[in-house]
Amino acid sequence: RKEVEQDPGPFNVPEGATVAFNCTYSNSASQSFFWYRQDCRKEPKLLMSVYSSGNEDGRFTAQLNRASQYISLLIRDSKLSDSATYLCVGKNTGNQFYFGTGTSLTVIP
Amino acid sequence: SQTIHQWPATLVQPVGSPLSLECTVEGTSNPNLYWYRQAAGRGLQLLFYSVGIGQISSEVPQNLSASRPQDRQFILSSKKLLLSDSGFYLCAWSVRRVLGYNEQFFGPGTRLTVL
Repeated sequence: RKEVEQDPGPFNVPEGATVAFNCTYSNSASQSFFWYRQDCRKEPKLLMSVYSSGNEDGRFTAQLNRASQYISLLIRDSKLSDSATYLCVGKNTGNQFYFGTGTSLTVIP
Repeated sequence: SQTIHQWPATLVQPVGSPLSLECTVEGTSNPNLYWYRQAAGRGLQLLFYSVGIGQISSEVPQNLSASRPQDRQFILSSKKLLLSDSGFYLCAWSVRRVLGYNEQFFGPGTRLTVL
C-alpha cells in the first residue's frame, strides 16, 4: 500500500466554485503534512503546511484528521490560475517525505 | 533567502552514455538534500537523500548513483543510461530537523530524454 494516496481526478470546476481534495495516509506515525502545487512541466511548489488544528491561507484551507488518517485541501472561489496538480505530502520522524501522485484540477471559464 | 539551482535544464542523451546532474543550494547550511525522478504523468519517486557530506541513502536500486562532495552540492550520476532513465529529475532541500515542519523546496528540475 502506498504511504499517501490521492484521487487523481481530473477535477473540472467552473470559476468561482469551491473544490475539495482529500488524501489518505497509511503510516500513523507520520508527523507532518503539506500540500504542494505543480504546474505542467514545472517543479512542485509548497502551497501550505497542514497543522493539527487546521489552517487557512486566503482562499485555501487545510485540515488534518489524525483519527481517520486523512488530509484535505479546500479551495474557495476558484480562479483560472488555480489550475494545476495538487500533491499531498506526508513526512515521518526521519528524513523522508512521501508524495501522493497528485490530483489534477482544471478551472473552466 | 535560500535558493536552489539545478543544471542543465534540458538534456538529450543516447542510451549507454554517462550522466551527471548537479544541484547546489545557497543561503542555508547543513541541509538535507534529495533527488527525485518524475516519469511522464507519474508521481515523484525518491531516488536518494543525504543528511551530510558523503552520506547517501539510496531508495531505489538502479543504475544511478549520488554523491555529496560539499555541504550544499548534490550530484546525480550514471555510468550508462537506459531508456527507462528518461524523466524529470528534481533536486530538493529541507532544513535538517527531525521533528516539526521542515518543508521541502525544489529546484527547477532537469528534463532528461534518453534516446
